[in-house]
Amino acid sequence: DVKVTQSSRYLVKRTGEKVFLECVQDMDHENMFWYRQDPGLGLRLIYFSYDVKMKEKGDIPEGYSVSREKKERFSLILESASTNQTSMYLCASSLGASGGAPHEQYFGPGTRLTVT
Amino acid sequence: AQKVTQAQTEISVVEKEDVTLDCVYETRDTTYYLFWYKQPPSGELVFLIRRNSFAEQNELSGRYSWNFQKSTSSFNFTITASQVVDSAVYFCALRTILIQGAQKLVFGQGTRLTINP
Repeated sequence: DVKVTQSSRYLVKRTGEKVFLECVQDMDHENMFWYRQDPGLGLRLIYFSYDVKMKEKGDIPEGYSVSREKKERFSLILESASTNQTSMYLCASSLGASGGAPHEQYFGPGTRLTVT
Repeated sequence: AQKVTQAQTEISVVEKEDVTLDCVYETRDTTYYLFWYKQPPSGELVFLIRRNSFAEQNELSGRYSWNFQKSTSSFNFTITASQVVDSAVYFCALRTILIQGAQKLVFGQGTRLTINP
């Protein structure tokens, strides 16, 4: 059974703290993604990775960085957390491109981060 | 630009009613893919359907059906005889291609559906 897990369901941090959000998938997927979800805005892509050690910026990368040292793990880092980064963070993974129909993304349960 | 619009922010119906969730998209691609995801209260998005732009027939899966209208750039989702377990936030998404073939999804704002007993 497909599984994407995230290290925490709820997290409370203080402004200025460095925050790590971890995501692990057990499907041997090439692609991994980090989104943030805000009311009225849907999901917005922060960063994605198509291979180990490879990363690319999404639509809203400012204030974030990522790390992918192993295929199954993709970490999102908030270098200095700010209150406007309070949000739901969702990790997803998918198979790599095969030239045919796109593969669906599998999502983790999300981490609700509050920065005070 | 790629864009997905779900104009209905919230919908509330009584159980057993039929309900349609609207999705309108914008793309310059001649071939494209559309998705619907369901996000129950547990938070995890669940894949419902993938639809390509060149298929002719509409989709049907049990109580769920999808109506793709290329002429109006819409991909609407209908739940027939709704049930309380259908209560969730539903997202429509459009596939774009990132580098190395990674698939990016552009999501709509989501529609919160509440089915009342």
